[in-house]
Amino acid sequence: EAGVVQSPRYKIIEKKQPVAFWCNPISGHNTLYWYLQNLGQGPELLIRYENEEAVDDSQLPKDRFSAERLKGVDSTLKIQPAELGDSAVYLCASSLGGPAIQQETQYFGPGTRLLVL
Amino acid sequence: AQTVTQSQPEMSVQEAETVTLSCTYDTSESNYYLFWYKQPPSRQMILVIRQEAYKQQNATENRFSVNFQKAAKSFSLKISDSQLGDTAMYFCAFMKRGGAQKLVFGQGTRLTINP
Repeated sequence: EAGVVQSPRYKIIEKKQPVAFWCNPISGHNTLYWYLQNLGQGPELLIRYENEEAVDDSQLPKDRFSAERLKGVDSTLKIQPAELGDSAVYLCASSLGGPAIQQETQYFGPGTRLLVL
Repeated sequence: AQTVTQSQPEMSVQEAETVTLSCTYDTSESNYYLFWYKQPPSRQMILVIRQEAYKQQNATENRFSVNFQKAAKSFSLKISDSQLGDTAMYFCAFMKRGGAQKLVFGQGTRLTINP
């Protein structure tokens, strides 16, 4: 079974430029998460989706960040314009969704490392 | 709000030794899950072991086991017969049960296994 797929793996841009990250969750997983991981720290949630509905976007900086999950499968996270402080790793995770720990366990993709110059 | 604390920023042991990573958490929730994830230098976050808070029995997965002390809000990870491939960042994480909740991570412990 394929895992969570993310692209690109690396991205270098200049500040004020736009950037987009793509995530394809594990097949059949209804819930999708975007996390931000700064260097040397644990990930922090940006947004989570149940199917195509964003159910928690309270930590998403909405002035410059946007996300979408069309048709409840793939998701795109966008930053426009990027700032120096956005340099980090952006992780996507998915879970099956359900009442048991097996269904609520999140599985992560390899991440996208963003460097803003 | 929940918080997770990993008090050991770095640890280093010799191959084949046993090592224990500490994790404490703070929550007012009674129904939750706890996880350990590892993140090797390649960056992919991998699930190591998971525990349901309502289960008193400590979870085990081959060489990995946990010591879950609910009253003390402690969730340590023991790695037996450590291997070079265990070298990674280890993150302890908390999740409320029900409704696809977010993971709340600790700061991580960098574990190095030396040959």
